[in-house]
Amino acid sequence: GAGVSQSPSNKVTEKGKDVELRCDPISGHTALYWYRQSLGQGLEFLIYFQGNSAPDKSGLPSDRFSAERTGGSVSTLTIQRTQQEDSAVYLCASSLEGNTEAFFGQGTRLTVV
Amino acid sequence: QKEVEQNSGPLSVPEGAIASLNCTYSDRGSQSFFWYRQYSGKSPELIMFIYSNGDKEDGRFTAQLNKASQYVSLLIRDSQPSDSATYLCAGGNTGGFKTIFGAGTRLFVKA
Repeated sequence: GAGVSQSPSNKVTEKGKDVELRCDPISGHTALYWYRQSLGQGLEFLIYFQGNSAPDKSGLPSDRFSAERTGGSVSTLTIQRTQQEDSAVYLCASSLEGNTEAFFGQGTRLTVV
Repeated sequence: QKEVEQNSGPLSVPEGAIASLNCTYSDRGSQSFFWYRQYSGKSPELIMFIYSNGDKEDGRFTAQLNKASQYVSLLIRDSQPSDSATYLCAGGNTGGFKTIFGAGTRLFVKA
């Protein structure tokens, strides 16, 4: 595909379970971002990957959140021991370089019940 | 201080009017700026980018950048109800290593 692909599109999980969200960026894009967006709210920055540099994890809200990017391509955001306040849309974006146009995936809507 | 700030709105304008959306940034070294539009339930999409001081026009949209005042704006002429959305301002940090988004301004265009 030509765009950023995220899976699953929707995820319902029980409180306390772990979840993994996947992002497949546009081929050749070196920069990858994860954001969280609660209903009616703005984008909350979570983590940023740029090439082989150490990721910028400054936005991760707690140690229950982690992310990795394997081979400079696919990224996985993991949330351990999910809480109801984790319910949100998780958006992934990629860009050719760190400060060029960002292309967003369609998001994963996470609901913790 | 937030790195990119926007008034959350909502901003309400009548159909056919000019909508003016404003954004300030704190990193004086920022070089590039972007405006994204996000419809309800959808992902953000790029409308315009601007790198140089002054105005940049694209159809009904004009982006304005004033680096001395650290101010970016987006004007939408002849506003249409279909322009109703949240508009996100974004800027690159010093060195261009990361794009930072504002919280967005909700725009309502009344028919």
